[in-house]
Amino acid sequence: GAVVSQHPSRVICKSGTSVKIECRSLDFQATTMFWYRQFPKQSLMLMATSNEGSKATYEQGVEKDKFLINHASLTLSTLTVTSAHPEDSSFYICSAPPQGSGTEAFFGQGTRLTVV
Amino acid sequence: DAKTTQPNSMESNEEEPVHLPCNHSTISGTDYIHWYRQLPSQGPEYVIHGLTSNVNNRMASLAIAEDRKSSTLILHRATLRDAAVYYCILRPINQGGKLIFGQGTELSVKP
Repeated sequence: GAVVSQHPSRVICKSGTSVKIECRSLDFQATTMFWYRQFPKQSLMLMATSNEGSKATYEQGVEKDKFLINHASLTLSTLTVTSAHPEDSSFYICSAPPQGSGTEAFFGQGTRLTVV
Repeated sequence: DAKTTQPNSMESNEEEPVHLPCNHSTISGTDYIHWYRQLPSQGPEYVIHGLTSNVNNRMASLAIAEDRKSSTLILHRATLRDAAVYYCILRPINQGGKLIFGQGTELSVKP
């Protein structure tokens, strides 16, 4: 099946700095990627949809100036957490939608962000 | 989006079958029933999906009620590696791949 590679798998940063998370589709082209956030013991919450060549669509309540999403090419989407604070510490996961006639969505391995 | 309801947690013994229930009483005719699971510290992975008929694949079976208001994911022989959170998700046809996750069922497997 299709592979989505997410990097880094874990990152620790200082409060006030920015962190970039990359999500790559390795053997297919993805015009759309979904970004989720997951706090401990909670479910995944959809943050935004990145679209290649156009602006991302953010879910209600998600600050677009804080969570910058760029979909620079058909194989790369990035999420940048700007001016990170401890409350941004979370597990961030990207996902590519089903490809072709398939129905299975593909998820990255996730990025554990800890802001100290 | 139609909502699903699952038990918060379930326990199973290794090598025994597990039946994970999901209620979706507000399902519409164009909603597919999808199951994903998430192992600790990993992204979710696809398990199975169906529309009206029961489905089998190498990972599991999906039994769908005749009125489609509930479904059951069946793991025929649970292993320790099946310990995960299992999510039952309704996805409309042509939704474009966006998945809205509920709380899921945390399955623990005892040796």
